[in-house]
Amino acid sequence: DQQVKQNSPSLSVQEGRISILNCDYTNSMFDYFLWYKKYPAEGPTFLISISSIKDKNEDGRFTVFLNKSAKHLSLHIVPSQPGDSAVYFCAASAYTSGTYKYIFGTGTRLKVLA
Amino acid sequence: DAGVTQSPTHLIKTRGQHVTLRCSPISGHKSVSWYQQVLGQGPQFIFQYYEKEERGRGNFPDRFSARQFPNYSSELNVNALLLGDSALYLCASSLNPGEGPTYEQYFGPGTRLTVT
Repeated sequence: DQQVKQNSPSLSVQEGRISILNCDYTNSMFDYFLWYKKYPAEGPTFLISISSIKDKNEDGRFTVFLNKSAKHLSLHIVPSQPGDSAVYFCAASAYTSGTYKYIFGTGTRLKVLA
Repeated sequence: DAGVTQSPTHLIKTRGQHVTLRCSPISGHKSVSWYQQVLGQGPQFIFQYYEKEERGRGNFPDRFSARQFPNYSSELNVNALLLGDSALYLCASSLNPGEGPTYEQYFGPGTRLTVT
């Protein structure tokens, strides 16, 4: 049961254009969402997060949008740069029954073309 | 400032053996989480520890156990290794679990475990 889904395994974008990475979730108990970037042979790097009480969070070139009714979030990168080429993971967390759980999606490989 | 460190970097074990993986969090971080990542998948949550107590557990068998020490470092232990335990094991640290921005976890480079 994949509670966090990234349905696009890969995405190619021209340098300078917008990259939009999507993520869907099924568990309405998730209260915090995060995006991570991963380069080969490295651990994931935290990028940006959003609380479930918000619908948008912006940090420089990165903006995350949350649509709770649709159980959907997206990461916008504007403008895209070749250094943004990496695998991007969407993650969600929930606190239930006195414990925390963190669920990651399967990732989207972004390639920014120069 | 040092990031999250993990040891060893790579490890090869035989089925049925036991393995211990180690993690040192970022200075000042009191929470450590462990993840398993198999090729082509996202990290799967195994455990979270905060102040030496287990605060979160994923869907892994009892062969997996962990602990956190007074200096906030942590060990992940896996008994009776199976071929399917071959994966990258990631450790992540955070200030606290579940307190707004402190959800943000910072990952180490991982330990690559191969079970033959």
